[in-house]
Amino acid sequence: AQSVTQPDIHITVSEGASLELRCNYSYGATPYLFWYVQSPGQGLQLLLKYFSGDTLVQGIKGFEAEFKRSQSSFNLRKPSVHWSDAAEYFCAVGASNAGNMLTFGGGTRLMVKP
Amino acid sequence: GAVVSQHPSRVICKSGTSVKIECRSLDFQATTMFWYRQFPKQSLMLMATSNEGSKATYEQGVEKDKFLINHASLTLSTLTVTSAHPEDSSFYICSARGARSTDTQYFGPGTRLTVL
Repeated sequence: AQSVTQPDIHITVSEGASLELRCNYSYGATPYLFWYVQSPGQGLQLLLKYFSGDTLVQGIKGFEAEFKRSQSSFNLRKPSVHWSDAAEYFCAVGASNAGNMLTFGGGTRLMVKP
Repeated sequence: GAVVSQHPSRVICKSGTSVKIECRSLDFQATTMFWYRQFPKQSLMLMATSNEGSKATYEQGVEKDKFLINHASLTLSTLTVTSAHPEDSSFYICSARGARSTDTQYFGPGTRLTVL
């Protein structure tokens, strides 16, 4: 069965600082990997996704993520955080043989200090 | 990107009543729709997967008779919470994608259900 672990429940960074949110997955084959962002009381917005090819994926809002098969990781990064980035971030893994059903990590709540 | 809407955004109902939540794909044909449940400060848990014109596939532990899912068209899926109880209070989120398994899932804004 597939699973996703986001080790950090909360992260606080200063505005302008760099950010890395960790995501580790467990899946038998090559996974489809996603990062979503959720603002309070809102649905999820897709930041980026990895299906195949270049392991460094660029997303919206200046985010990027790198797929590292050897580490079973798909960490999300941003070089300079803005106050508007404060939100909940979810990593998810999907399987092509399961209709791309998504399994979500527990989420990481990002707080940004002025 | 594609747009998925949910209606209502918030609903409060009395215990024992049934509540219907709609999920619509506004600008694409959603062959597959997913229903998730999210408890406060927790992650999303998949409840069921529905393919247009077929019966929904429910995840283990989800009561199919309590959470009725209908996906009668390529743009609309409904989740009906029957005989709702306070423990059914939650944030329900749907997502939709096209025919290919590599198609992106687009999420609706969610429906906050409160059962008194």
